[in-house]
Amino acid sequence: QKEVEQNSGPLSVPEGAIASLNCTYSDRGSQSFFWYRQYSGKSPELIMSIYSNGDKEDGRFTAQLNKASQYVSLLIRDSQPSDSATYLCAVTDVGAGGTSYGKLTFGQGTILTVHP
Amino acid sequence: EAQVTQNPRYLITVTGKKLTVTCSQNMNHEYMSWYRQDPGLGLRQIYYSMNVEVTDKGDVPEGYKVSRKEKRNFPLILESPSPNQTSLYFCASSWKGPSFAEQYFGPGTRLTVT
Repeated sequence: QKEVEQNSGPLSVPEGAIASLNCTYSDRGSQSFFWYRQYSGKSPELIMSIYSNGDKEDGRFTAQLNKASQYVSLLIRDSQPSDSATYLCAVTDVGAGGTSYGKLTFGQGTILTVHP
Repeated sequence: EAQVTQNPRYLITVTGKKLTVTCSQNMNHEYMSWYRQDPGLGLRQIYYSMNVEVTDKGDVPEGYKVSRKEKRNFPLILESPSPNQTSLYFCASSWKGPSFAEQYFGPGTRLTVT
């Protein structure tokens, strides 16, 4: 069974700092990677997807993927108290050019707290 | 408004009493999925469906059934609930193809089985 590992935290950073969230996965066949954010008592929402090695930036968020080392990370620049949430890493073996779909495997999530 | 809805939002039931949690989406999505979320275990996929009448098992299908008779609906059935199925359940939907994992989640159903 595929495994996706995250440090459960909590990770505490001061407002304005960079928060770094990491995720490792066991299946070398994994192709596509996602970061979801889940506020307490709410449902997960997608914030980033990354399909190829390297960095992908979207506003204050940067996703980094290294398939050789089997890790994916999420950087949040200029962290705000509103970023306080649980961040879930998710992995699938369906690639960006694929036409099928299937299982999505989540890590257990990292709790991030941004304090003023 | 594009959304995924689940009913009921909260349910307390007893062991062995059959129940159904409904899920409906209004985005014409092909892909739908059910997850359960437990402390320390994250989200685990129960079943997913790629289209009408097409379903497949996720990582934790034991004790659950699903059906997909209409594109918009994907009910989760617990025929004989047990206390270890006490959990927070999420339904999700998405488009087909490589972005199937970019999913929209419903608000969740908190189930307690006594």
